[in-house]
Order: sequence, then structure tokens, then C-alpha cells
Amino acid sequence: EVQLLESGGGLVQPGGSLRLSCAASGFSFSNNAMSWVRQAPGKGLEWVSGFSGGGNTYYADSVKGRFSISRDTSKNTLYVQMNSLRVEDTALYYCAKRKCSGGNCRGFDYWGQGTLVTVSS
Amino acid sequence: QSVLTQPPSVSAAPGQKVTISCSGSSSNIGNNYVSWYQHLPGTAPQLLIYDNDKRPSGIPDRFSGSKSGTSATLDITGLQTGDEADYYCESWDGSLSAVLFGGGTKLTVL
Repeated sequence: EVQLLESGGGLVQPGGSLRLSCAASGFSFSNNAMSWVRQAPGKGLEWVSGFSGGGNTYYADSVKGRFSISRDTSKNTLYVQMNSLRVEDTALYYCAKRKCSGGNCRGFDYWGQGTLVTVSS
Repeated sequence: QSVLTQPPSVSAAPGQKVTISCSGSSSNIGNNYVSWYQHLPGTAPQLLIYDNDKRPSGIPDRFSGSKSGTSATLDITGLQTGDEADYYCESWDGSLSAVLFGGGTKLTVL
């Protein structure tokens, strides 16, 4: 059974930093594309950052230069280091697994329950 | 404002059919696959449709997707009160090198 468990959320002041983790199990983590997706209060889903199946990294313009995605395949864990946090980064952050087949990855077929990040003074 | 445009809300009576549209451009929907998600408050989003028109196992055939040019559509037939949720389209954008979500559509089953 695929499981994704996020952790690391909390309250942080503007300009501060936070690292989120996503512990994955039940699938081949090292070969799979993964992403972080967030939902701000009262807003829609917003893709934040992701790994492709080949290990390339991608970022939304809104977080480029401030967030850094990484993974530890020995721990089956995905991370996102969030620096220079802004009030508008306040959101529920989801870890999501890409649906991959034959090297093609499309759609997010498994999601965690999310971890809440609040940026406020 | 999202690059993928969805109507903010749609509504229909139980048993009826509803259509949710998602409009994009050649850099996203026009040249990439579309996925659709159902998001109920307090739960994780659920994949309903991938590769434009394929359903993951366990998704009822009341949900169907299609794509034409730079637009995609999600159809839900035989509406049930349990279908009340937010629905999102998603596609890769080759120009932005980013995943895009539509702004979301709130479905109300009257």
C-alpha cells in the first residue's frame, strides 16, 4: 500500500525558514516522480516543485530561488527546504506521487494528508 | 489568475449531468496530457482522470474526460450529493517547465 506522510509544518515568521519532509512507502521511490503541491486558505491547488522520473528538479516561479527540493533515496523521503518565507506561502502542503508508466509520468495518483505551514509575525 | 481556466462553479440536480471545462494553450493542454482531480474538504485530492480520458481503477465510469485542441472537459453523469466537491484540471506546461493546475470548479448538487 502506497503511503505518503508529510511532516515539518508549523508557525514561522516572515523571512524565516522551514524544511518539510515526506516519508514514502509502498512503491519504488527512487524511480518515481514526486512533487509538492500547496493549497492556501480559501484558494485552489498550486504546484510548488517536483522531481521528474529522471531526477530533474522543477519549481514554480512563485518559489524559484527560495525553495529547494531534494530527496534521500536511502530513507525514501522527499524534502523541500523553504527559505525567505512570505505570508503568502501560508498553506497546506501536500506531497504527491506522479503516476508513472514506461518512463512517462502524468497525473498525481497518491497524495499525503498535508502539513500546515503558517507564515505570520 | 490561473493559466488553466475553469469556471468557478457549476451546479445541477441529482441524477443529471454536468460538464466542467478547462481552457489552456498550446504550451500546456495543446501539447500535453490533462488530468482531473476531485478534492473534498479535509481530504487529500483524488485522481479521477489521467492521460485526458483514462480512469484509475476504482473510479466509476460516471466520470469521463476528453480533450480537444487547447481545451479539456470533465463530464460527470448520474450526479450524486456525494459528488459535491472542488474539481481541478492539471497539465504540464512545456514553456514554463512547470505543472499547472486550473483554478478549480466548485460543484454543487442541488
